Amino acid sequence: DVKVTQSSRYLVKRTGEKVFLECVQDMDHENMFWYRQDPGLGLRLIYFSYDVKMKEKGDIPEGYSVSREKKERFSLILESASTNQTSMYLCAARGRTEAFFGQGTRLTVV
Amino acid sequence: GNSVTQMEGPVTLSEEAFLTINCTYTATGYPSLFWYVQYPGEGLQLLLKATKADDKGSNKGFEATYRKETTSFHLEKGSVQVSDSAVYFCALSDPAASKLTFGTGTRLQVTL
Repeated sequence: DVKVTQSSRYLVKRTGEKVFLECVQDMDHENMFWYRQDPGLGLRLIYFSYDVKMKEKGDIPEGYSVSREKKERFSLILESASTNQTSMYLCAARGRTEAFFGQGTRLTVV
Repeated sequence: GNSVTQMEGPVTLSEEAFLTINCTYTATGYPSLFWYVQYPGEGLQLLLKATKADDKGSNKGFEATYRKETTSFHLEKGSVQVSDSAVYFCALSDPAASKLTFGTGTRLQVTL
């Protein structure tokens, strides 16, 4: 099975800080995704990437950017963290069919 | 655009009860359909999938049938266990795109 590893399980940051969330996959999947999960809203797609240095906006990209310099690594960047970005962030990698998810990073912005 | 609608939760059942979680979708073309499960404190993992109309996905006693005529993919299990307590997400993938569109999730709690 593909393993998707997110660098932190829990993170607390201050308003205005620049925040990096890292995600690494151990298989050769082209597609990688960042979602945020909020109660009652399910999973909402922030950004995705279908190849190195390629990225596309998802449904809620405002306030976020991404970086994919290597195929196995996909980073989510909060340029200036705000309290409304407090959430669970989930990274996923996908080949032909199913997507494999990391364990999530619960980010709290204070 | 694509969308997935799931029944509201939480769903509370006694052990050995029958489970149905409804899921309907809106999509162009012929999407693939998925059920993912999220146990407490974990990420999502694939429970089952179906890639074409009338396909039945099954795993761990759970089943769902891809019904194109009703645009539905309802999740069922004949006898739930306490260990099935989790959040269940229905999702679809447009064949023209790689991304998944998720429903809002349904929390299931099974009690003794």
